[in-house]
Amino acid sequence: GAVVSQHPSRVICKSGTSVKIECRSLDFQATTMFWYRQFPKQSLMLMATSNEGSKATYEQGVEKDKFLINHASLTLSTLTVTSAHPEDSSFYICSALRDRQARAKNIQYFGAGTRLSVL
Amino acid sequence: DAKTTQPTSMDCAEGRAANLPCNHSTISGNEYVYWYRQIHSQGPQYIIHGLKNNETNEMASLIITEDRKSSTLILPHATLRDTAVYYCIVRLNTGGFKTIFGAGTRLFVKA
Repeated sequence: GAVVSQHPSRVICKSGTSVKIECRSLDFQATTMFWYRQFPKQSLMLMATSNEGSKATYEQGVEKDKFLINHASLTLSTLTVTSAHPEDSSFYICSALRDRQARAKNIQYFGAGTRLSVL
Repeated sequence: DAKTTQPTSMDCAEGRAANLPCNHSTISGNEYVYWYRQIHSQGPQYIIHGLKNNETNEMASLIITEDRKSSTLILPHATLRDTAVYYCIVRLNTGGFKTIFGAGTRLFVKA
């Protein structure tokens, strides 16, 4: 199946620092990628949709200046949590949309997630 | 996106079939049914999807009722590694869609 690589898998940082998370589609091109966050024992919450070469679309209540998304190529999207605080501690998951493939049309494939802990 | 309703949790004996139901009574004609699962502390894994015909792949079978208001995901021979949260999602299959996750069903496969 299609592979989406997410790095790092875990990061611990001090309050006030910025953290960058990378999401790569390894064996397919992804025009569209998605970023989710998940708190313990809760479902995934969509944060934003990023399209290659254009600005990301953020869901209501998600601060775009806080969570910077860059989708500079068809295989890479990054999420930067700026000036992280303890309340930003969460499990962040990216997803890449495999499009225009006859047998796997519009299937989203997910990365393994990044667990962010802000001290 | 149309909403789905799933049981909060289910148990299944190892080696038996696991049948996970999903209600999507407000599904529109061009929306697909997708199933994903999430094993603890991992990203969701795609399982299967369909529009109106039953589908089968190496992981599971998807049975969609004729009126498309409900569906069932079938894991034919559940193993302990199938213990996970299973999400039933209804969405369009064309551009501009968003995959919104509900609460899902927590499946416990017991030895």
